[in-house]
Amino acid sequence: DAGVTQSPTHLIKTRGQQVTLRCSPISGHKSVSWYQQVLGQGPQFIFQYYEKEERGRGNFPDRFSARQFPNYSSELNVNALLLGDSALYLCASSFIQGMDYGYTFGSGTRLTVV
Amino acid sequence: AQSVSQHNHHVILSEAASLELGCNYSYGGTVNLFWYVQYPGQHLQLLLKYFSGDPLVKGIKGFEAEFIKSKFSFNLRKPSVQWSDTAEYFCAVTRSSGNTGKLIFGQGTTLQVKP
Repeated sequence: DAGVTQSPTHLIKTRGQQVTLRCSPISGHKSVSWYQQVLGQGPQFIFQYYEKEERGRGNFPDRFSARQFPNYSSELNVNALLLGDSALYLCASSFIQGMDYGYTFGSGTRLTVV
Repeated sequence: AQSVSQHNHHVILSEAASLELGCNYSYGGTVNLFWYVQYPGQHLQLLLKYFSGDPLVKGIKGFEAEFIKSKFSFNLRKPSVQWSDTAEYFCAVTRSSGNTGKLIFGQGTTLQVKP
């Protein structure tokens, strides 16, 4: 039973570049959320998608965008990368939009901006 | 705005010691509460959750937490820790109605258990 899979696991980018992170939810899960975890801090909510529609957005600049595909997988895009974007990006999936079943997290993508 | 505060940033215990990690949240409505654990090099895993009912919640690996509504607290406890409990622990909250998909996390507590 595959859990939440994220790719790539590690990534190094240069300031100003653009990056795309990918997430495949658990089979049957329709909701995907993205979180940013800076070293030494708790994860911060970026986006939630449910049934391919954005259902929530955290306090992140417009350089961050995301989408969800018909198969419920999701991509997170970050444009014009800054050094401060270096973090672990987590994807979490859930069967429904709400928390009743809890969210299952992937192992994350470690993004380093140099 | 919702917020979560974890008072202990770094806790060091010897094996068999008892554990209590503090968590307080700020939110005016009803909430769902969670504790997640992140073992070194691994992904976040759900330890336990509270939605309603009995305020004493039992989770995996012998952990439990008590929801005290009047104190806006959801402290995590374990009677006797093991070396394998070394990890980072996160308390999280979400609203319990409407769009409940946004988890607000605390800053985390690093637990180091000495053998």
